[in-house]
Amino acid sequence: DAKTTQPPSMDCAEGRAANLPCNHSTISGNEYVYWYRQIHSQGPQYIIHGLKNNETNEMASLIITEDRKSSTLILPHATLRDTAVYYCIVRVAESFGNEKLTFGTGTRLTIIP
Amino acid sequence: SAVISQKPSRDICQRGTSLTIQCQVDSQVTMMFWYRQQPGQSLTLIATANQGSEATYESGFVIDKFPISRPNLTFSTLTVSNMSPEDSSIYLCSGADVGKQFFGPGTRLTVL
Repeated sequence: DAKTTQPPSMDCAEGRAANLPCNHSTISGNEYVYWYRQIHSQGPQYIIHGLKNNETNEMASLIITEDRKSSTLILPHATLRDTAVYYCIVRVAESFGNEKLTFGTGTRLTIIP
Repeated sequence: SAVISQKPSRDICQRGTSLTIQCQVDSQVTMMFWYRQQPGQSLTLIATANQGSEATYESGFVIDKFPISRPNLTFSTLTVSNMSPEDSSIYLCSGADVGKQFFGPGTRLTVL
C-alpha cells in the first residue's frame, strides 16, 4: 500500500469547515483513499473513501486531485465532537482479502469553541 | 454497518499471566483483524483471524505470544500470553467486508 503524509496536528474553529490534507504521491491506479477517525478512547470510525472522483456522504466530503497524488477531507461544519485523530489510508479496495489497514500517525484535529 | 463488542473493556494483570480478549460482531463478516495501539501511538496490525484455520500474523508478532481463534464468522478471541509491562496497550478487533472495516471499542490492558 502507498505511503501517506499528513500534518501532525490542526486546529479549527467550531462551525467552520475543517480541511484535512493528505499526500499520497506514490498511489497506484487501483488504490483507493480511505479516511478514518479515532475519537479519544474509542475504536477508529470509517468516514469516507474514494478512487478518483470527489465523494460526499453525511459525515464529510473527499476531494481527490486530478493526478491523485493528494486529497483533502472536508468536515463542512465542525463541531466539538469532531475533535479526533484523522487517518488517511491508501489501499487496494473492494477486493476480497485486501481489507487490512496500515495506519500512519494521522492528524490530530482540535475543534476550538 | 457492523457493531462490534469486546470483553473485557479493560483489565489490570500481573506479569507472567495470560488474558483472553473476546470480540463479537453482530453480523457475519468476511474478515476479522486484531490490532494493538500502544500508548500515544497509532494502530499496528497483529494478525488476520481466519475462520477455521490458523491466523495470519504480521511481522513481529507470533502465535505463541498472541494465539488467536475464530470459530465462526462473528466471533474471535485474542490471547496475550506470558504478559510483561511492554504488553500494556489497547487491543482492538475489527470486522471487514469488501470495502469497509469496523472497529470494536478496544480492550485497555495494563500489565504490572
